[in-house]
Formats: sequence, structure tokens, C-alpha cells
Amino acid sequence: EAQVTQNPRYLITVTGKKLTVTCSQNMNHEYMSWYRQDPGLGLRQIYYSMNVEVTDKGDVPEGYKVSRKEKRNFPLILESPSPNQTSLYFCASRRDGTELYEQYFGPGTRLTVT
Amino acid sequence: GESVGLHLPTLSVQEGDNSIINCAYSNSASDYFIWYKQESGKGPQFIIDIRSNMDKRQGQRVTVLLNKTVKHLSLQIAATQPGDSAVYFCAENSGGSNYKLTFGKGTLLTVNP
Repeated sequence: EAQVTQNPRYLITVTGKKLTVTCSQNMNHEYMSWYRQDPGLGLRQIYYSMNVEVTDKGDVPEGYKVSRKEKRNFPLILESPSPNQTSLYFCASRRDGTELYEQYFGPGTRLTVT
Repeated sequence: GESVGLHLPTLSVQEGDNSIINCAYSNSASDYFIWYKQESGKGPQFIIDIRSNMDKRQGQRVTVLLNKTVKHLSLQIAATQPGDSAVYFCAENSGGSNYKLTFGKGTLLTVNP
């Protein structure tokens, strides 16, 4: 089944404890992206990647890092999480790195930072 | 899970009626638009997209209309069903970008049986 998977689905952590949220897609998509979703603010883009080893900032990149060492994986790293990073996170992918096509979203990761 | 419907405009319709969900986009340079559906506890699901060289595009039970003059996008759902109940988002490719999408805040559609 073609899909985007994220792990973990739920995470509660404490301020300053480094964490990684994994994202994987099995569709051989070139483009991948991370979003956060907050009530009243909608979905906002954190980082995106056009292809392996090519990443760039979205609209809200502060406090996050990403890497794209393989085509299928695009982990989101929070080096020192803070309470304002409590949010619902979505990973997405699309087939082409540079052309516009529909993005497919993962199921989401709910992160709580205390 | 936490509702993504907080602070959202809402639309309530009867089963079998047609629904129209509206969206005003922000950047006149945007030239690609998408509608997504998000059910409670799930990720956004692609519904339909349209490029700026078109005014209308139809899918299965859905139609998207684009009015570039007033920067307005609408999603029409025919014969709305209870399974259509969800939050609907429009998105635009930010200022014509091939990499960034800007999402609207969404509309909560409730279908009454």
C-alpha cells in the first residue's frame, strides 16, 4: 500500500530533551515536507526537501532540523524542544521534486513538550 | 485526538444537499491550488487541484472553481454524504513557488443525516 508513515504517533517529552520524529514514504517520491498544525493557525510548513541531500526552510523552521540522506526518509529533529513546539506534526511527500503535484500526508505525530 | 476544528468557520448541511466551501487566497502570484479534506485524527487527504490556466475542474462529486480576479476559490460537493463531514482546507503555492504551500485555516463541514 502506497503511504507515508510517521513514528511515533504520540510523544510526550520534557523541555530540552532531543527527539527525532521519523517519516518514511514508499512511493519513490522526490519531494518531502514537514508541517505543523496548530488550532487557529492551520498548517504551516517547517522544512522541505526537493531530493536527497537537498533541503530548505519553510515558513517556521526555527528550532527544527531535518536531513535527507535517503530518498524514502525525512526525519524531523528537535535538538532542544520547548513547550511552544507542542503541536501536531505532519510529513508529506509528492512525486516530483520541482513540479507541482498533489502532496500525500502521513497520519500525524502529536507532540507534547512539558 | 485534539480537534482541528477550533476557531474555524463552520458549514452545516443536510445529507443529499450540495455544499459549497469558499476560500480566499492571499497571493495573486500563486498559480496552483489544492483542496484537502481532514477527518478527525487523520492527516489531510488530497481532493482536487487546479492550475491558474483553468477556471473550473471537476472530479468525482466535487468541482473546484477559481476566480483569479477576486482571488477566490470554491469547492462544491454534490449530494453531500455523512462521510463528507470533515475540515476542508484550501492551499496555494505561495506566490508561485514550486516548493511551498500556504494553507488556509479551514472550514468545518457537518453533514446532518
